[in-house]
Amino acid sequence: GAGVSQSPSNKVTEKGKDVELRCDPISGHTALYWYRQSLGQGLEFLIYFQGNSAPDKSGLPSDRFSAERTGGSVSTLTIQRTQQEDSAVYLCASRMTGSYNEQFFGPGTRLTVL
Amino acid sequence: AQSVTQLGSHVSVSEGALVLLRCNYSSSVPPYLFWYVQYPNQGLQLLLKYTTGATLVKGINGFEAEFKKSETSFHLTKPSAHMSDAAEYFCAVLNDYKLSFGAGTTVTVRA
Repeated sequence: GAGVSQSPSNKVTEKGKDVELRCDPISGHTALYWYRQSLGQGLEFLIYFQGNSAPDKSGLPSDRFSAERTGGSVSTLTIQRTQQEDSAVYLCASRMTGSYNEQFFGPGTRLTVL
Repeated sequence: AQSVTQLGSHVSVSEGALVLLRCNYSSSVPPYLFWYVQYPNQGLQLLLKYTTGATLVKGINGFEAEFKKSETSFHLTKPSAHMSDAAEYFCAVLNDYKLSFGAGTTVTVRA
């Protein structure tokens, strides 16, 4: 079956521009996560959705970052006024109900801010 | 919050040799532990997980890990390395519903 997909796979933008990153989770997965992978910080949690609600946004680095999920499916991570330190690989993951179930990861979006 | 520490950022092994990747956890409650592998330009793939029950956990691609409470460890092993095992490996612990990852260990396999 189809796995988690993310688009675009690569995004190059100029400092100060806004970007949107998209995640299509596995059908039927109720939970969705965004993580960020960067050289300096490793893999870090950004935000967690259960259905369309985000009970944990504690990992979002600043108010320039926001995310939404609609229809219990697709999620969009938006970064406003991008900065060079936002350059990283943004990974999306989804899982079935049950916290200890496997999180399935997408291939990621590599964001480069010039 | 629970955390994991991976010892060694880089491991080099010969093809056919034992692969041993070290992970220690810090937790005040029984942890749920995971090993993920990441191949170049790909997402993370689950190798194996420990939740409860048997402390020796077998995963995909011939990997296994043993949960040792007395040593607070969850080391990953594979008896015989293959060239296709070259990748980055992450140990992770479940904090409520989200994963906290170690810094990762890059494995290179020498022919």
